[in-house]
Amino acid sequence: DAGITQSPRHKVTETGTPVTLRCHQTENHRYMYWYRQDPGHGLRLIHYSYGVKDTDKGEVSDGYSVSRSKTEDFLLTLESATSSQTSVYFCAISSGATNEKLFFGSGTQLSVL
Amino acid sequence: GQQVMQIPQYQHVQEGEDFTTYCNSSTTLSNIQWYKQRPGGHPVFLIQLVKSGEVKKQKRLTFQFGEAKKNSSLHITATQTTDVGTYFCAGDRSTNAGKSTFGDGTTLTVKP
Repeated sequence: DAGITQSPRHKVTETGTPVTLRCHQTENHRYMYWYRQDPGHGLRLIHYSYGVKDTDKGEVSDGYSVSRSKTEDFLLTLESATSSQTSVYFCAISSGATNEKLFFGSGTQLSVL
Repeated sequence: GQQVMQIPQYQHVQEGEDFTTYCNSSTTLSNIQWYKQRPGGHPVFLIQLVKSGEVKKQKRLTFQFGEAKKNSSLHITATQTTDVGTYFCAGDRSTNAGKSTFGDGTTLTVKP
């Protein structure tokens, strides 16, 4: 498996609190992505990064922000968590511009009560 | 926006039976990837198809990319219990590199 570490693996939080999820890679890949996965749905792109300090929105970016200050780290922040953000969050990396061969982390199960 | 539809949503088979999942895009794709996610796990890359009409095989798995590059299929011959999981397709548009759209997946269960 590619060197991708997500932390925490599990998180329970309350509505209205900020939450930050971390993705760390040791592959020196240029592209990093945050997806959410909900029952009955595929993976939906939240935000992605194509380099340090270079990020862009995905299809479900509302309520989320990201930061990438180093090649190896990509942070996802829920500014004010809501119950609709209860989900499994996956970080992924790739080396190529065409998003080929995404390598996924093990995921973070987030519950917002 | 781009939509990638995948059918069926669920498939239950007896071990040894064949299985096929289909992926259809509303727009022409530059490439399509397939991923497998075991229960409780993370998606794992299986293959990428790029050329119109392309067919690739991995042991009992056969992947096809349609001539119009709008649809794809994954066929498993003689399923085994190790094939259980959810299979996702992900399509990448020519003008939207780096933001593939995933289908909702087909969950395969195999009865021994």
